[in-house]
Amino acid sequence: KQEVTQIPAALSVPEGENLVLNCSFTDSAIYNLQWFRQDPGKGLTSLLLIQSSQREQTSGRLNASLDKSSGRSTLYIAASQPGDSATYLCAVLTNTGGFKTIFGAGTRLFVKA
Amino acid sequence: GAVVSQHPSWVICKSGTSVKIECRSLDFQATTMFWYRQFPKQSLMLMATSNEGSKATYEQGVEKDKFLINHASLTLSTLTVTSAHPEDSSFYICSAPGQSSLGYTFGSGTRLTVV
Repeated sequence: KQEVTQIPAALSVPEGENLVLNCSFTDSAIYNLQWFRQDPGKGLTSLLLIQSSQREQTSGRLNASLDKSSGRSTLYIAASQPGDSATYLCAVLTNTGGFKTIFGAGTRLFVKA
Repeated sequence: GAVVSQHPSWVICKSGTSVKIECRSLDFQATTMFWYRQFPKQSLMLMATSNEGSKATYEQGVEKDKFLINHASLTLSTLTVTSAHPEDSSFYICSAPGQSSLGYTFGSGTRLTVV
């Protein structure tokens, strides 16, 4: 059974700091891995999607890496800003008993001004 | 880009009543819609997968008769929480395979509070 774990569960950093969020998954047979942002009480915003054949994706100050063999992904946020404060979720797409997206519990990030 | 419109964004209902949540794909056809539930400080958990024109597939432990899913058209999927109870209070969100390179497109979510 695929399980997705995110560490840390919560993180508080001063503005301007670079930071890394970690995601691990137990079954390396994934189609892709996706990072999302969720603001309190709101839906999800897709940030980056990495296909299983890819190693990393970049968008602006965000960089996500994927090491499928070790079951790990990291989301790197450069020069953090207060507007980055949100919960960051990683999710993997698997095909066990049908296509499913399995989410981690998220990392709650707070960037202090 | 692909947009999934979800309504209502929040709803408060009395225990024992039913609540319908709608998800519409605005600029693409969604033959499949995934329905998730998220309890406070927990991850999103897949409840069921709806397919246009056929019966929904429910995850283990999700009551089919309580969470009615209808996917009658290529642009609309609905989730009805029947005879809602306080323990059904949660954040419900839908998702469809999108048209962009960012994979699945999510609705904005519905926060249900049953009193």
